Amino acid sequence: DVKVTQSSRYLVKRTGEKVFLECVQDMDHENMFWYRQDPGLGLRLIYFSYDVKMKEKGDIPEGYSVSREKKERFSLILESASTNQTSMYLCASSLSRSSSGNTIYFGEGSWLTVV
Amino acid sequence: DAKTTQPTSMDCAEGRAANLPCNHSTISGNEYVYWYRQIHSQGPQYIIHGLKNNETNEMASLIITEDRKSSTLILPHATLRDTAVYYCIVRVKGTGANNLFFGTGTRLTVIP
Repeated sequence: DVKVTQSSRYLVKRTGEKVFLECVQDMDHENMFWYRQDPGLGLRLIYFSYDVKMKEKGDIPEGYSVSREKKERFSLILESASTNQTSMYLCASSLSRSSSGNTIYFGEGSWLTVV
Repeated sequence: DAKTTQPTSMDCAEGRAANLPCNHSTISGNEYVYWYRQIHSQGPQYIIHGLKNNETNEMASLIITEDRKSSTLILPHATLRDTAVYYCIVRVKGTGANNLFFGTGTRLTVIP
């Protein structure tokens, strides 16, 4: 089974703090993604990566950055957390762009509250 | 990616089959139908996907109509743990952005 593990399930941070959300997948997937999910807005793509050290902006990259130093690990960074970044953050991975169906697998989610 | 239409909510008795419909009338020939579910406070869980043929795995069956404009997810023996929001998504394989439009889904409640 594909396993996507997010390091923190629940976090509370103060406005202005730097926040790191870590994600690891154990299936040698090329693609990794960070989404946020908010009521009424569905899933919105923040950043994604097709390979080590590669990153591409999604729909809402402002206020976020990412790091992919190793294939299995994709980190989301909030440089200076703000209250409007309170949300559930979802990490996901998929095998490759060319694989049949290209199923995306999600982690359990990280609930971030910025106060 | 094509949009989908699903009923807002459904109930199903425990032990009975749950049939969740999805309309995707504007689906393109190279778009797959995916189903995910999300249990409260957890990440979406992949269930099944298909292109044209019916598919079955250990979790569910997927029935796609011949014209591909609609599909049905079948949970053969629903349990209380199947209570969740179920999302039907259509997307092209290898899509550059790999984005997913989850929509509002169907809230399935399994009743004891």
